[in-house]
Amino acid sequence: AQKVTQAQTEISVVEKEDVTLDCVYETRDTTYYLFWYKQPPSGELVFLIRRNSFDEQNEISGRYSWNFQKSTSSFNFTITASQVVDSAVYFCALSEANYGGSQGNLIFGKGTKLSVKP
Amino acid sequence: EAGVTQFPSHSVIEKGQTVTLRCDPISGHDNLYWYRRVMGKEIKFLLHFVKESKQDESGMPNNRFLAERTGGTYSTLKVQPAELEDSGVYFCASSQGWASTDTQYFGPGTRLTVL
Repeated sequence: AQKVTQAQTEISVVEKEDVTLDCVYETRDTTYYLFWYKQPPSGELVFLIRRNSFDEQNEISGRYSWNFQKSTSSFNFTITASQVVDSAVYFCALSEANYGGSQGNLIFGKGTKLSVKP
Repeated sequence: EAGVTQFPSHSVIEKGQTVTLRCDPISGHDNLYWYRRVMGKEIKFLLHFVKESKQDESGMPNNRFLAERTGGTYSTLKVQPAELEDSGVYFCASSQGWASTDTQYFGPGTRLTVL
């Protein structure tokens, strides 16, 4: 069965600290996709990144970086030099490819609430 | 380009009443998804439209929920009659295609409170 676990319910850091949000997933498929979404106080889910199961390269985008490790079924998200604007709920999600390579629905973790204090 | 919009942003109704939620996807997106987050739980998939057809409705909780997408544009999700356990945030998402590389873009959600 597919499952996404975000063990950290809430994290609080002081501005400029680095913070890592953990995500562990379970799937029996060999082809799957991993996502991170950010939910700021305004409520909408903002897409941050998609990674497919065949690409284990880590990715960096500004202060954001993602570490995908198939050996531990983890897709962790690190924010470097955090800022108050990073305060949000962050969701990790998994999607398994359907027959023909099409995208299945998203399976979400419970989310991690990040509070960055000035 | 306008994002996914949802209406209303918040709805408070009494048990047994009917509520209709609306979602307008990003223009040109054939795929439309409904998800729901009940308090303290994960965001869960409800159903997926490709244009006006229901591609996957395996997540719909019961027959009190009816989703439509007439004409393949906006979609409505009706709950009739509403029960207390239906309270939560209902999200809508859309994607241009259905390929593995297509990203689902989400709206701000409708917070439903059933009293």
